[in-house]
Amino acid sequence: RKEVEQDPGPFNVPEGATVAFNCTYSNSASQSFFWYRQDCRKEPKLLMSVYSSGNEDGRFTAQLNRASQYISLLIRDSKLSDSATYLCVVNAFSSNTGKLIFGQGTTLQVKP
Amino acid sequence: GAGVSQTPSNKVTEKGKYVELRCDPISGHTALYWYRQSLGQGPEFLIYFQGTGAADDSGLPNDRFFAVRPEGSVSTLKIQRTERGDSAVYLCASSPPGDTQYFGPGTRLTVL
Repeated sequence: RKEVEQDPGPFNVPEGATVAFNCTYSNSASQSFFWYRQDCRKEPKLLMSVYSSGNEDGRFTAQLNRASQYISLLIRDSKLSDSATYLCVVNAFSSNTGKLIFGQGTTLQVKP
Repeated sequence: GAGVSQTPSNKVTEKGKYVELRCDPISGHTALYWYRQSLGQGPEFLIYFQGTGAADDSGLPNDRFFAVRPEGSVSTLKIQRTERGDSAVYLCASSPPGDTQYFGPGTRLTVL
């Protein structure tokens, strides 16, 4: 079983749609959680950290359920520029120190 | 300011050859990481340096892989006796202690 599991998609949605991605992780000792964005043939970039209380950044909302070992990302009012692969990431440490464990990534394609 | 740089951007080699991949981290970042990303997968951790020392090399797949960071800045990932299965994008990241990891553009390695 992979340490971090995601549905690879692709998710094809029209502009303006709301889309949600889910992720599960196997190590209950994981301390910190992130969503990274990766454009085609580019490097991953941090989109947002994920906190137990949930957090929002503009159109993006991330939530963590430690009991179920489940992380989600919600994108509202999708834009064409949101088309990318979204990587769910966990870390055994409470900060960004040390190795990050990445999921396979979920591909989003937003269409006009 | 300048981000993480990696050279070469592309490397094509023949099975059995030796390759070196270079990473120049962001100035002042004490932590440096190497990851490997195969097609359709998320990045996979290889090794983490804190300063000059390897703090965690648990991701190196076998003894053909070795990495150094002699002066605590530039790092070189060395692969001996390359195999076709080593073909991937090798990503380097750097960070201040406990902070966000910033990724370089990667080196695309192809072993023929």
